[in-house]
Amino acid sequence: GAVVSQHPSWVICKSGTSVKIECRSLDFQATTMFWYRQFPKQSLMLMATSNEGSKATYEQGVEKDKFLINHASLTLSTLTVTSAHPEDSSFYICSASSRAGHEQYFGPGTRLTVT
Amino acid sequence: GQSLEQPSEVTAVEGAIVQINCTYQTSGFYGLSWYQQHDGGAPTFLSYNALDGLEETGRFSSFLSRSDSYGYLLLQELQMKDSASYFCAFNTDKLIFGTGTRLQV
Repeated sequence: GAVVSQHPSWVICKSGTSVKIECRSLDFQATTMFWYRQFPKQSLMLMATSNEGSKATYEQGVEKDKFLINHASLTLSTLTVTSAHPEDSSFYICSASSRAGHEQYFGPGTRLTVT
Repeated sequence: GQSLEQPSEVTAVEGAIVQINCTYQTSGFYGLSWYQQHDGGAPTFLSYNALDGLEETGRFSSFLSRSDSYGYLLLQELQMKDSASYFCAFNTDKLIFGTGTRLQV
Protein backbone atom coordinates (compact mmCIF):
# COMPACT_ATOMS: atom_id res chain seq x y z
CA GLY A 1 0.00 0.00 0.00
CA ALA A 2 0.90 3.65 -0.31
CA VAL A 3 3.13 4.98 2.47
CA VAL A 4 3.21 8.50 3.87
CA SER A 5 5.81 9.60 6.38
CA GLN A 6 5.95 12.59 8.70
CA HIS A 7 8.91 14.17 10.40
CA PRO A 8 9.37 14.77 13.22
CA SER A 9 7.07 12.39 15.06
CA TRP A 10 7.09 14.68 18.05
CA VAL A 11 8.53 18.09 18.83
CA ILE A 12 8.70 20.38 21.83
CA CYS A 13 9.33 24.06 21.23
CA LYS A 14 9.24 27.29 23.15
CA SER A 15 6.50 29.86 22.75
CA GLY A 16 7.28 32.33 19.97
CA THR A 17 9.42 30.01 17.89
CA SER A 18 8.51 28.39 14.57
CA VAL A 19 8.28 24.68 13.85
CA LYS A 20 8.35 22.92 10.48
CA ILE A 21 6.67 19.56 9.92
CA GLU A 22 7.39 17.51 6.80
CA CYS A 23 5.02 15.15 5.03
CA ARG A 24 6.37 12.82 2.36
CA SER A 25 4.72 10.32 0.06
CA LEU A 26 7.28 7.53 -0.24
CA ASP A 27 6.07 5.40 -3.11
CA PHE A 28 3.62 7.49 -5.10
CA GLN A 29 3.20 10.98 -6.45
CA ALA A 30 0.87 13.04 -4.33
CA THR A 31 -0.72 15.79 -6.34
CA THR A 32 -2.84 16.72 -3.34
CA MET A 33 -1.91 16.76 0.33
CA PHE A 34 -4.06 17.61 3.31
CA TRP A 35 -3.18 18.85 6.77
CA TYR A 36 -5.31 18.07 9.81
CA ARG A 37 -5.16 19.06 13.44
CA GLN A 38 -6.53 16.92 16.24
CA PHE A 39 -6.91 17.96 19.86
CA PRO A 40 -7.16 15.27 22.57
CA LYS A 41 -10.37 13.24 22.44
CA GLN A 42 -11.62 15.25 19.46
CA SER A 43 -12.06 14.62 15.76
CA LEU A 44 -9.69 15.45 12.94
CA MET A 45 -10.19 18.99 11.70
CA LEU A 46 -9.05 19.75 8.17
CA MET A 47 -6.77 22.77 8.15
CA ALA A 48 -5.86 23.10 4.49
CA THR A 49 -5.58 21.38 1.14
CA SER A 50 -2.44 21.81 -0.90
CA ASN A 51 -1.86 20.99 -4.53
CA GLU A 52 1.63 20.65 -5.93
CA GLY A 53 2.91 23.91 -7.31
CA SER A 54 0.01 26.07 -6.18
CA LYS A 55 -1.08 27.92 -3.06
CA ALA A 56 -2.83 26.01 -0.33
CA THR A 57 -6.55 26.37 0.24
CA TYR A 58 -7.26 26.99 3.91
CA GLU A 59 -10.43 26.02 5.76
CA GLN A 60 -12.49 28.73 7.37
CA GLY A 61 -10.99 29.91 10.63
CA VAL A 62 -7.45 28.70 9.91
CA GLU A 63 -4.89 31.52 9.83
CA LYS A 64 -2.86 31.15 6.66
CA ASP A 65 -0.13 33.49 7.92
CA LYS A 66 0.32 31.38 11.03
CA PHE A 67 0.19 27.96 9.39
CA LEU A 68 2.38 28.17 6.30
CA ILE A 69 1.99 25.32 3.86
CA ASN A 70 4.35 24.62 0.99
CA HIS A 71 3.83 21.80 -1.51
CA ALA A 72 6.93 22.21 -3.61
CA SER A 73 7.12 18.74 -5.13
CA LEU A 74 4.94 15.74 -5.82
CA THR A 75 6.32 13.94 -2.79
CA LEU A 76 6.77 16.66 -0.16
CA SER A 77 4.57 19.11 1.67
CA THR A 78 5.59 21.13 4.71
CA LEU A 79 3.57 22.81 7.43
CA THR A 80 5.29 25.58 9.38
CA VAL A 81 3.67 26.75 12.59
CA THR A 82 4.94 30.30 13.02
CA SER A 83 5.23 32.08 16.37
CA ALA A 84 3.88 29.04 18.14
CA HIS A 85 1.83 29.42 21.31
CA PRO A 86 0.76 26.82 23.87
CA GLU A 87 -2.72 26.68 22.31
CA ASP A 88 -1.09 25.40 19.09
CA SER A 89 -0.09 22.25 20.95
CA SER A 90 -1.86 19.47 19.11
CA PHE A 91 -1.49 16.35 16.97
CA TYR A 92 -0.87 17.34 13.35
CA ILE A 93 -1.60 14.72 10.69
CA CYS A 94 -1.04 14.90 6.96
CA SER A 95 -2.54 12.80 4.23
CA ALA A 96 -1.74 12.44 0.56
CA SER A 97 -3.71 11.53 -2.51
CA SER A 98 -2.69 10.88 -6.06
CA ARG A 99 -5.76 12.77 -7.22
CA ALA A 100 -8.44 14.95 -5.61
CA GLY A 101 -11.37 12.82 -4.58
CA HIS A 102 -9.32 9.64 -4.52
CA GLU A 103 -8.30 7.66 -1.45
CA GLN A 104 -6.17 9.52 1.06
CA TYR A 105 -3.21 7.88 2.76
CA PHE A 106 -2.39 9.19 6.21
CA GLY A 107 0.95 9.91 7.79
CA PRO A 108 1.67 8.78 11.35
CA GLY A 109 1.20 12.28 12.78
CA THR A 110 3.36 14.79 14.62
CA ARG A 111 2.73 15.69 18.22
CA LEU A 112 3.61 19.34 18.86
CA THR A 113 4.00 20.66 22.38
CA VAL A 114 4.60 24.37 22.85
CA THR A 115 5.91 25.38 26.27
CA GLY B 1 -23.33 23.33 6.15
CA GLN B 2 -21.95 19.85 6.48
CA SER B 3 -21.92 17.86 9.68
CA LEU B 4 -21.66 14.25 10.81
CA GLU B 5 -22.82 13.22 14.26
CA GLN B 6 -21.79 10.06 16.11
CA PRO B 7 -22.32 8.75 19.63
CA SER B 8 -19.36 9.80 21.77
CA GLU B 9 -18.75 6.43 23.45
CA VAL B 10 -19.79 2.81 23.08
CA THR B 11 -18.88 -0.09 25.38
CA ALA B 12 -19.16 -3.76 24.45
CA VAL B 13 -17.74 -7.13 25.44
CA GLU B 14 -15.44 -9.43 23.52
CA GLY B 15 -17.23 -11.54 20.93
CA ALA B 16 -20.19 -9.19 20.75
CA ILE B 17 -21.53 -7.19 17.80
CA VAL B 18 -21.62 -3.40 17.97
CA GLN B 19 -23.12 -0.81 15.64
CA ILE B 20 -21.78 2.74 15.46
CA ASN B 21 -24.20 5.16 13.89
CA CYS B 22 -23.48 8.26 11.84
CA THR B 23 -26.16 10.80 10.98
CA TYR B 24 -25.27 13.62 8.67
CA GLN B 25 -26.23 16.81 6.91
CA THR B 26 -24.70 17.68 3.57
CA SER B 27 -25.37 19.24 0.21
CA GLY B 28 -23.63 16.40 -1.56
CA PHE B 29 -20.80 13.90 -1.35
CA TYR B 30 -19.27 11.04 -3.29
CA GLY B 31 -19.59 8.54 -0.48
CA LEU B 32 -19.14 7.78 3.20
CA SER B 33 -15.94 6.35 4.64
CA TRP B 34 -15.10 4.82 8.00
CA TYR B 35 -11.75 5.11 9.77
CA GLN B 36 -10.26 3.56 12.89
CA GLN B 37 -7.79 5.42 15.04
CA HIS B 38 -5.90 4.04 18.01
CA ASP B 39 -4.63 6.47 20.63
CA GLY B 40 -1.60 8.34 19.32
CA GLY B 41 -1.88 6.82 15.86
CA ALA B 42 -3.01 7.80 12.42
CA PRO B 43 -6.47 7.01 11.06
CA THR B 44 -6.65 3.78 9.09
CA PHE B 45 -9.23 3.19 6.40
CA LEU B 46 -11.89 0.57 7.15
CA SER B 47 -14.72 0.79 4.66
CA TYR B 48 -16.36 2.96 2.00
CA ASN B 49 -19.94 3.24 0.72
CA ALA B 50 -20.44 5.03 -2.56
CA LEU B 51 -23.94 3.62 -2.99
CA ASP B 52 -26.76 2.83 -0.61
CA GLY B 53 -26.58 -0.57 0.99
CA LEU B 54 -24.23 -2.79 2.89
CA GLU B 55 -20.52 -3.25 2.24
CA GLU B 56 -18.82 -6.16 4.00
CA THR B 57 -15.10 -6.38 4.68
CA GLY B 58 -14.27 -9.25 6.99
CA ARG B 59 -15.51 -8.53 10.51
CA PHE B 60 -16.45 -4.98 9.54
CA SER B 61 -19.50 -3.93 7.53
CA SER B 62 -20.73 -0.48 6.66
CA PHE B 63 -24.14 0.70 5.59
CA LEU B 64 -25.37 3.86 3.90
CA SER B 65 -28.84 5.25 3.30
CA ARG B 66 -28.74 8.58 1.49
CA SER B 67 -32.51 9.00 1.75
CA ASP B 68 -32.27 8.78 5.55
CA SER B 69 -28.96 10.72 5.79
CA TYR B 70 -27.66 7.86 7.87
CA GLY B 71 -24.93 5.31 7.92
CA TYR B 72 -23.42 2.84 10.34
CA LEU B 73 -20.38 0.70 10.94
CA LEU B 74 -20.99 -2.82 12.20
CA LEU B 75 -18.20 -4.62 14.02
CA GLN B 76 -18.64 -8.35 14.63
CA GLU B 77 -16.77 -10.78 16.87
CA LEU B 78 -15.30 -7.93 18.84
CA GLN B 79 -11.74 -8.25 20.03
CA MET B 80 -9.79 -6.27 22.60
CA LYS B 81 -7.69 -4.77 19.82
CA ASP B 82 -10.85 -3.16 18.39
CA SER B 83 -10.81 -0.68 21.28
CA ALA B 84 -10.20 2.57 19.42
CA SER B 85 -11.93 5.65 18.07
CA TYR B 86 -14.03 5.30 14.93
CA PHE B 87 -14.87 8.11 12.54
CA CYS B 88 -17.28 8.39 9.66
CA ALA B 89 -16.27 10.88 6.98
CA PHE B 90 -17.71 12.49 3.88
CA ASN B 91 -15.73 11.92 0.71
CA THR B 92 -15.76 14.96 -1.52
CA ASP B 93 -12.60 16.54 -2.90
CA LYS B 94 -11.57 16.39 0.74
CA LEU B 95 -12.51 14.34 3.80
CA ILE B 96 -14.80 15.83 6.41
CA PHE B 97 -14.70 13.77 9.59
CA GLY B 98 -17.52 13.07 12.00
CA THR B 99 -17.39 13.71 15.72
CA GLY B 100 -15.98 10.26 16.43
CA THR B 101 -16.99 7.34 18.64
CA ARG B 102 -14.72 5.86 21.26
CA LEU B 103 -15.26 2.09 21.47
CA GLN B 104 -14.19 0.28 24.63
CA VAL B 105 -14.12 -3.50 24.41
